[in-house]
Amino acid sequence: GAVVSQHPSRVICKSGTSVKIECRSLDFQATTMFWYRQFPKQSLMLMATSNEGSKATYEQGVEKDKFLINHASLTLSTLTVTSAHPEDSSFYICSARGRDYEQYFGPGTRLTVT
Amino acid sequence: AQTVTQSQPEMSVQEAETVTLSCTYDTSESDYYLFWYKQPPSRQMILVIRQEAYKQQNATENRFSVNFQKAAKSFSLKISDSQLGDAAMYFCAYRRLQEYGNKLVFGAGTILRVKS
Repeated sequence: GAVVSQHPSRVICKSGTSVKIECRSLDFQATTMFWYRQFPKQSLMLMATSNEGSKATYEQGVEKDKFLINHASLTLSTLTVTSAHPEDSSFYICSARGRDYEQYFGPGTRLTVT
Repeated sequence: AQTVTQSQPEMSVQEAETVTLSCTYDTSESDYYLFWYKQPPSRQMILVIRQEAYKQQNATENRFSVNFQKAAKSFSLKISDSQLGDAAMYFCAYRRLQEYGNKLVFGAGTILRVKS
């Protein structure tokens, strides 16, 4: 139980375009999901907390207009990187809060902006 | 604000030997949760072990055990009988009680290499 999926697993896009990453809780409902960014050999940096039916809460320094988060259902949260640039290239990880309040992590999405 | 410090960027251990990864944290709260996560080359985060601060007994999960020293704010992970599959990046993490939200505060991580 408590499986989280992400789609796509990797994506390459051109500079200036937008890309959407999906995070799904497959066997449980998650009112809260989290989005992280991770650079190689570094720790996970929390970008935002996504709450179903309400606006996401962004961490300090994260541009909310650039990283759009939508949590429209109890099993799906999406992160859209708008007008992507090479510096947005990174590994993005989502997690979903289970009924036991623990976070269950997705497998991550590698974004490359050319 | 809470902080988590992992002072060992990299560690190496011989297969079948024991290794200890260090973690210290800073908090003014008395009740909280501590975790060790493993991130193998696949980059999937895997929960290794969980400790509740109000429990004095150190958590164990098979070959993985912790040394939780609440007064010293220390939470080290011991891996016994190390296996090649233990090679990964290990993160120590802190979480407040549920009513204060579910954010995890991660340390910088320790890369563990296992030699055969």
